[in-house]
Amino acid sequence: QVQLAQSGAEVKKPGASVKVSCRASGYNSIKYYIYWVRQAPGQGLEWVGRINPSGGGTSYARQFQGRVTLTTDTSARTFYMDMNRLTPDDTAIYYCTRLDFWGQGSPVTVSS
Amino acid sequence: QAVVTQEPSLTVSPGGTVTLTCASDIGAVTGGNSPNWFLQKPGQVPKPLIFSTTKKYSWTPARVSGSLLGGKAALTLSGVQPEDEADYYCLLYFGDVVVFGGGTKLTVL
Repeated sequence: QVQLAQSGAEVKKPGASVKVSCRASGYNSIKYYIYWVRQAPGQGLEWVGRINPSGGGTSYARQFQGRVTLTTDTSARTFYMDMNRLTPDDTAIYYCTRLDFWGQGSPVTVSS
Repeated sequence: QAVVTQEPSLTVSPGGTVTLTCASDIGAVTGGNSPNWFLQKPGQVPKPLIFSTTKKYSWTPARVSGSLLGGKAALTLSGVQPEDEADYYCLLYFGDVVVFGGGTKLTVL
């Protein structure tokens, strides 16, 4: 069955970086875009960006351009979201998703 | 970047029918925006309901349907049940960019 297994919770200080991973299984991971979506506490869903595993092409929400990098290790069937210059406003659960299947979420807390 | 707007909250009686909408501030929503709909219950991962405006997943209840209505994407729930109480989010594509709506909190009362 399709599964997206994400890395665990992270606690970071303002100004630091975080790298969240998402390992795909149960399907051909080259064939589906992976989207990254975040949800701050008590807030709605926010699109961060997406990556095309076939070729590595990316697109990002305007507010994350220059601060987020999406990558993939196709041999490891793993996707990564790297976010730098973290602020407390980046505190959220970060999801990787094909849109039809979702990872369990990776909580990221940014606090001094 | 477009702003996508949903009703912040709606209330429906059990057994009733409710339509949630999803609008874009840059023009009418069309099939080209490939509307998707998700529901989310507290503490849970979002669950997809509809893709490409009208298409259902294998797990989507038959009483849930997607459409275009008056320049907006729409999600209609018929025969509403208490377990339909949740937050509902739409997603629209604008070329390579994806935007979520702010979500609709549906109360079944």
